Amino acid sequence: AQKVTQAQTEISVVEKEDVTLDCVYETRDTTYYLFWYKQPPSGELVFLIRRNSFDEQNEISGRYSWNFQKSTSSFNFTITASQVVDSAVYFCALSEPSNRDDKIIFGKGTRLHILP
Amino acid sequence: EPEVTQTPSHQVTQMGQEVILRCVPISNHLYFYWYRQILGQKVEFLVSFYNNEISEKSEIFDDQFSVERPDGSNFTLKIRSTKLEDSAMYFCASSSLRDRGPGNYGYTFGSGTRLTVV
Repeated sequence: AQKVTQAQTEISVVEKEDVTLDCVYETRDTTYYLFWYKQPPSGELVFLIRRNSFDEQNEISGRYSWNFQKSTSSFNFTITASQVVDSAVYFCALSEPSNRDDKIIFGKGTRLHILP
Repeated sequence: EPEVTQTPSHQVTQMGQEVILRCVPISNHLYFYWYRQILGQKVEFLVSFYNNEISEKSEIFDDQFSVERPDGSNFTLKIRSTKLEDSAMYFCASSSLRDRGPGNYGYTFGSGTRLTVV
């Protein structure tokens, strides 16, 4: 069965510190997609990244970077030089695409507080 | 950039009343979804819809829920007799399963409808 575990419920760091959000997933499929979403206080889901299971290259986008390790079933997210605007809930998620649908299974989220 | 539009953004309803949440998916998308997020909790899959029928539904999606694509553009979620525990943020999403190539992601969420049952 699909499962996404975000063990860190809440993290607080001081602005400009680096912070890593952990994500561990379970799936029996060889083809799957992993995602990170940001949910600011306004409530919408902001798409950050999608990674497919065949692409283990790490990705960097500005201050954001993602580390995908199939061997440990992890897809961790690092924010470098954090800013107050990064304060939000971050969700890791997984989908196992099929011809019928492409539902996404979310983790419970990590609430990130960036303190000024 | 194409968007999934949800209306209303907020809805307050009395317990026992019927409520319809509306969504306009991206026009060339073929797969449609509803998700629910109870305050402070994770986002949970409710139902997926393809080719004018439900393709998958979760345990949450019981007989009080129904979905419809009445006119080829709107996608609605109806809750027949609302309960207090139906209070949540409801997200609509649409996808084009063909768009799975690198750098081309067709799965898009709406901004959500916050439903409060009183």
